[in-house]
This record gives sequence, structure tokens and C-alpha cells, in this order.
Amino acid sequence: ETGVTQSPTHLIKTRGQQVTLRCSSQSGHNTVSWYQQALGQGPQFIFQYYREEENGRGNFPPRFSGLQFPNYSSELNVNALELDDSALYLCASTPSGTGFHNEQFFGPGTRLTVL
Amino acid sequence: QQQVKQSPQSLIVQKGGISIINCAYENTAFDYFPWYQQFPGKGPALLIAIRPDVSEKKEGRFTISFNKSAKQFSLHIMDSQPGDSATYFCAASIDSGAGSYQLTFGKGTKLSVIP
Repeated sequence: ETGVTQSPTHLIKTRGQQVTLRCSSQSGHNTVSWYQQALGQGPQFIFQYYREEENGRGNFPPRFSGLQFPNYSSELNVNALELDDSALYLCASTPSGTGFHNEQFFGPGTRLTVL
Repeated sequence: QQQVKQSPQSLIVQKGGISIINCAYENTAFDYFPWYQQFPGKGPALLIAIRPDVSEKKEGRFTISFNKSAKQFSLHIMDSQPGDSATYFCAASIDSGAGSYQLTFGKGTKLSVIP
């Protein structure tokens, strides 16, 4: 068990609404990454947070935003939801310390459906 | 556009057989190549990883073969078991700046091991 938890498990929203997804990192991990996994596809990198600052972003529009808190938990916020935002959203945490490609431990994900 | 191409999309192997999944990449800046295993309802879990200065890495029944000149790498699962039935993703990582290591995933291979 990786220790990364996400909430909620499932979520249904309508187009145009806003959503907040939450992630609790594994103890001792100070870096968190978010990925979007569409059905039948591999995860796509959204962004990464290190010590409460965004330090890397994939090809996602600004309506995807995030936060990391002092206890290293994290939120993913998506505004103005579109149908194509329906996906499994994965959070991954990385151990602290100097690291080169430290292993990313994934949570079970939040399944978002946009109607 | 960073891309990792994975094949086959699905694979059926007899118990005890060898499962082989292939991936190809284009960006020569990638410097870390992990394989992830994902069961239904779970997040991806790291299986094995390799760096480009090594041509092969073996851990138990799992082996990565890496061909830097061809920009290809593959996962071999020896003595495949029904418990290995899952979706496998190859990935490649690059430092996207400020110590941020984003993973670029292939589209996945659904492996079914039949008794």
C-alpha cells in the first residue's frame, strides 16, 4: 500500500461547474504531481508542486490549478468544466530529499464525470 | 510534442509463457524509463525502471531491455502468471525544470494471462 489517498472516489459534475479534488501525500513526501488519465489512455502530466510552489506544468490550460499545503497535502481545481475533462485524476507523491527521478507513488485516483 | 509509443494495445499469453511489451520514444533528452503496472480501480505502481546507460535490467521475472540507438525499450515478463493480468504502461521522464520530473506515459497494454 502506497499511503497516498485521494478524495472523493467518484464525482459527477455538469459542464461549466467547478471541482476540487484532494490528495494526501505519503508521510515524508514533499513533492506531489497530478495526472489526468482518460479512459483507455495513459496518464498525462498536469503539474507538480514542491514545497507549496508549482515547479512544472504539462500542456493543460490555466483553468486547471493547484495548491499544496504546509502538510504537503494538495488540491487540484478545475474551473469551467468541459465534457473532455471526464477522466481519472491521479495524484502521485515523491519522497523528500535530493532526488533524481525519485519514484512517484500514485494514489487510487478520483473518477470525474462531466455531464 | 514528447511522445512514447507503446505496443501492443492488448496481449493474451498462456500461463508460464513470456509476455513482451514494446515502447519507442523520440525525445533523446529522456533519461529515465520506468514501467508501471495498473490494476482496475488502483493507481499505477512502479514495476521496474532503467536509465539509458544500461542495456538491460532484471528484477525477478521482470526484465527491461533498452536500445538507446533505436530509441526503444521493452518489458519482458517471464513465466507469466494469471496474477500478472493488468494494464502495463511504459513511461519516460525528463527534468522539466527546477527539479521537476514529469512522466510521459505510453497508452498502455492490457495483459491477460490465461491458465
